[in-house]
Amino acid sequence: GQQLNQSPQSMFIQEGEDVSMNCTSSSIFNTWLWYKQDPGEGPVLLIALYKAGELTSNGRLTAQFGITRKDSFLNISASIPSDVGIYFCAGQDNYGQNFVFGPGTRLSVLP
Amino acid sequence: DTGVSQNPRHKITKRGQNVTFRCDPISEHNRLYWYRQTLGQGPEFLTYFQNEAQLEKSRLLSDRFSAERPKGSFSTLEIQRTEQGDSAMYLCASSLQVWGHEKLFFGSGTQLSVL
Repeated sequence: GQQLNQSPQSMFIQEGEDVSMNCTSSSIFNTWLWYKQDPGEGPVLLIALYKAGELTSNGRLTAQFGITRKDSFLNISASIPSDVGIYFCAGQDNYGQNFVFGPGTRLSVLP
Repeated sequence: DTGVSQNPRHKITKRGQNVTFRCDPISEHNRLYWYRQTLGQGPEFLTYFQNEAQLEKSRLLSDRFSAERPKGSFSTLEIQRTEQGDSAMYLCASSLQVWGHEKLFFGSGTQLSVL
């Protein structure tokens, strides 16, 4: 079945630093979604991407839909302590069926 | 609050018992998804509904699992004869597909512990 890979698996950064993470797939996707999840809570939608090459921002967050349609990137600028959490990507293929999730990138922000 | 609502938030049960979870989606959303998430993993797809029709089920969904969405509104997920391996967070999400664009909005989940 479809699988997504996310890298890095985890990262420790200093408050104020910028962060980059990515998501790759062996399949082509038509939609990419990025989520943040806090412990014991459901994932919260951050950004949605629908077109190859699309670049979308939400505050300090910017995400891009890769040209090959097999990857997506999320950047966080000027990180703050509340950015701590697990970031998931999710992709939906041409058939518009279910969304497949990656294993997540765990972000820790050091003061 | 007009977000996705899941009940209960936590459920502890003994092995062999049946459990049922409820999900109330965002009111105008026509699609409803169930996912399962274990510690350190991303959500795994279980099944989804478009209105009241169950359109896809994962191979993860054994015969002990059944989901319904009567009248295309709320949904229930039942697990019969629970096993310790069923312990996980069960997440519900709803979406509205517009011109091929879809966004999933998740509830807070139901944490199931099978003793």
